[in-house]
This record gives sequence, C-alpha cells and structure tokens, in this order.
Amino acid sequence: GAVVSQHPSWVICKSGTSVKIECRSLDFQATTMFWYRQFPKQSLMLMATSNEGSKATYEQGVEKDKFLINHASLTLSTLTVTSAHPEDSSFYICSAKSGDQPQHFGDGTRLSIL
Amino acid sequence: AQSVTQLGSHVSVSEGALVLLRCNYSSSVPPYLFWYVQYPNQGLQLLLKYTSAATLVKGINGFEAEFKKSETSFHLTKPSAHMSDAAEYFCAVSEYGGTSYGKLTFGQGTILTVHP
Repeated sequence: GAVVSQHPSWVICKSGTSVKIECRSLDFQATTMFWYRQFPKQSLMLMATSNEGSKATYEQGVEKDKFLINHASLTLSTLTVTSAHPEDSSFYICSAKSGDQPQHFGDGTRLSIL
Repeated sequence: AQSVTQLGSHVSVSEGALVLLRCNYSSSVPPYLFWYVQYPNQGLQLLLKYTSAATLVKGINGFEAEFKKSETSFHLTKPSAHMSDAAEYFCAVSEYGGTSYGKLTFGQGTILTVHP
C-alpha cells in the first residue's frame, strides 16, 4: 500500500518552455503533498507544501510564480516549472501523506533544460 | 527549528559486516525521526520511523535504529550487510504541531558501499 506515482520520470525540453510534473497517490487519499528538489550528490530540499483545496505554502527562497503547484484533489498534485531555464535542471521528487502517517515518495522526475 | 546531521557522507563495509550509519538531530519539540533509502534515479523508500513509542525501532530489510534522547541520536544499524543494501540513506526529522506540521528536514545523506 501507500504507492505514489510521479510522471514523467524524465523530461528534456528547451529553455523557455513550461513543464508539468504530476504526482498521484494511487491507493490512499493524500491530505498533504510535498515537493522537493534534489541537486546531484545533495540532499532533498523542500520546495513547498500543499494541502488539498488550498494554496501551496512555499519555503523561503522558492519562487511561487516560477514553480506553480496545484493540489486540486486528494490524489493529485502538479508542479509546473514555468519558463524553465538550464539552472532549473534538477531531480524533482514529490511525496504524499495522509493524516499523521509518514510521507511516501514518488520515484522522482529528472528535468533537463537545454 | 529542526536539523539533522549525518556523520560520514560515505560508508564502506564488506558483505556480512555490521552496518552503522550515524544520525544526530536537533529539534525544539519531541521529534519524529525517520530513515529513508534512495536507489539511483529513484525516490525515497521508508526504512523505519520513530514516533515516541519504543526507542528501538525495527524496519524493513533487517535494519533497526535506536532513539537516544540523551545523545540526540538515531543511528541506523544492520547486523550483516548485503550487496543489495548499497544505496544512499537519509535520516530525517519531523516536528508535529504548529506551522512545521509534518514537514521533513533531511540530513545530507550517507552513501553505503558494500564490497564482496
């Protein structure tokens, strides 16, 4: 149980385009979803926390207009990287939790901006 | 505020040897503590968690960790390493309550290498 699916797993796109990443909880209702960014050989850095039906709460230093988060249902959250540039290239990981249960993570999306 | 320090970015052991990955935490409230494992190009898998019950926590794949409040530590151990244990391991702390509810703060990670 507690499976989180993230799609796509790998995306390459041109600079200036927008990219949408989906995060789905497949077998549970996720009251809260989290988005993380991981640079090579580094730890996960929390970008934002989103609760279903509410606006996401962004961590300090994360541009909310750059990284748009939508959590429209209890099983789906999306992260859109707008006008992506090479410095946005990274590994993006989502997680989902229900109530007091631990976070369960997706398999990540490797984003490469050319 | 909460923080996690993992001592040793790389740990190398022989197959069959004891695995010890160190984690120390800082938290302003009683913490919840977690160990996650990450394989290349994948997300994180929960190994075990401490949520204020038993201080010795057993997880999957033969791993266990002991919460020691006096030492602010939550070290991960496994009696006998297997080749499949080679991965990166992250310790994380969470505070339950207030504006930080449920948010995880991760350590820097420890890469475990297992030699035949």
